[in-house]
Amino acid sequence: ETGVTQTPRHLVMGMTNKKSLKCEQHLGHNAMYWYKQSAKKPLELMFVYSLEERVENNSVPSRFSPECPNSSHLFLHLHTLQPEDSALYLCASSHSLTGTGSAEQYFGPGTRLTVT
Amino acid sequence: GQSLEQPSEVTAVEGAIVQINCTYQTSGFYGLSWYQQHDGGAPTFLSYNALDGLEETGRFSSFLSRSDSYGYLLLQELQMKDSASYFCAVRNNFNKFYFGSGTKLNVKP
Repeated sequence: ETGVTQTPRHLVMGMTNKKSLKCEQHLGHNAMYWYKQSAKKPLELMFVYSLEERVENNSVPSRFSPECPNSSHLFLHLHTLQPEDSALYLCASSHSLTGTGSAEQYFGPGTRLTVT
Repeated sequence: GQSLEQPSEVTAVEGAIVQINCTYQTSGFYGLSWYQQHDGGAPTFLSYNALDGLEETGRFSSFLSRSDSYGYLLLQELQMKDSASYFCAVRNNFNKFYFGSGTKLNVKP
């Protein structure tokens, strides 16, 4: 496997379900990100982890819970979601966030989430 | 507050040159990036400008004016495969990344 992978690619869940999204990067990066992409809206940064520590939480509702057990893996745990949470969830990784560089991000293919 | 503005859609013909503008508002600005996303695909990094001026990478160039809070992506010798959405994104010194809504580029034969 190369690059950034995400599973599952598609997920349909009810509002009372609990599910998890998984992201894995094989690029040797030490920063990982979760984004939400909804139709006709900008990508929204949800969480940033650098060296396995959460460095940014963009006022995301608590029904979304991230976990970063090591620098290669990132999870997004979902519970009691709302229909408006239906979107494409993208994971990305980059080299270190120190300095003023681009933090060029490599994105995974995303998980298309539908909440019914 | 934070905001980025870019046109929602641009149409051009094969072989032409197209410029996609981006104006931004943010505090603690580090730099401006550009990403390309094909329908059903993941965004891919194109370029980054931290300093004023033009950066050229093959057929794509990106420009930044920090004093004007403005940048653009220039695509030359357009090809059909360049049909995609293009996002500008700013990075600031609070570990925040803000993306524009994207510009859908339609390349016609």
